Amino acid sequence: GESVGLHLPTLSVQEGDNSIINCAYSNSASDYFIWYKQESGKGPQFIIDIRSNMDKRQGQRVTVLLNKTVKHLSLQIAATQPGDSAVYFCAENNRDDKIIFGKGTRLHILP
Amino acid sequence: EPEVTQTPSHQVTQMGQEVILRCVPISNHLYFYWYRQILGQKVEFLVSFYNNEISEKSEIFDDQFSVERPDGSNFTLKIRSTKLEDSAMYFCASSIQGPQETQYFGPGTRLLVL
Repeated sequence: GESVGLHLPTLSVQEGDNSIINCAYSNSASDYFIWYKQESGKGPQFIIDIRSNMDKRQGQRVTVLLNKTVKHLSLQIAATQPGDSAVYFCAENNRDDKIIFGKGTRLHILP
Repeated sequence: EPEVTQTPSHQVTQMGQEVILRCVPISNHLYFYWYRQILGQKVEFLVSFYNNEISEKSEIFDDQFSVERPDGSNFTLKIRSTKLEDSAMYFCASSIQGPQETQYFGPGTRLLVL
């Protein structure tokens, strides 16, 4: 069965607001997590990653939070812009040579 | 900026035919991957390849699939006898080291099996 999934398939956010995309994982052995952005007709694009020895990591306008107690991962996008419209996937790895993707959340930016 | 390239961008084939999808990973990368994405669904791992051999494969990657690095630059995915359910986007990716390094994805090949 799937070990990575997402709570909401679609998220609509006002331009300029912050977006929070959530992900639940079930494999407690996973120790590396990644967020990808996929724009229409393109391949997934790496956004940010986090290892299990951390609970927060920040990038440019993005923050990933990891809560290992409840096996929850979130992606926060600050000051959402039209260019942030895409499908966002969380993914995990548990020290083998494969990455398991979740189902994806489509982010709509409202003007 | 270096990028992963894939050819062709689109491929239409008849059921039962063989297809070869081609990828050129980023030149200094050592790990290569194939994923597929059925329309509207999540990205699914197929196979990882390192040091000229498969390092991991999923249940999807059965005997109909094979991968090869025929020269120093290309990485191919072959489907021997295509089925209707093989219709999907196929993405190649590469990383400098293993999957816990950033994977860079190509633009994909859209395969349609009729």
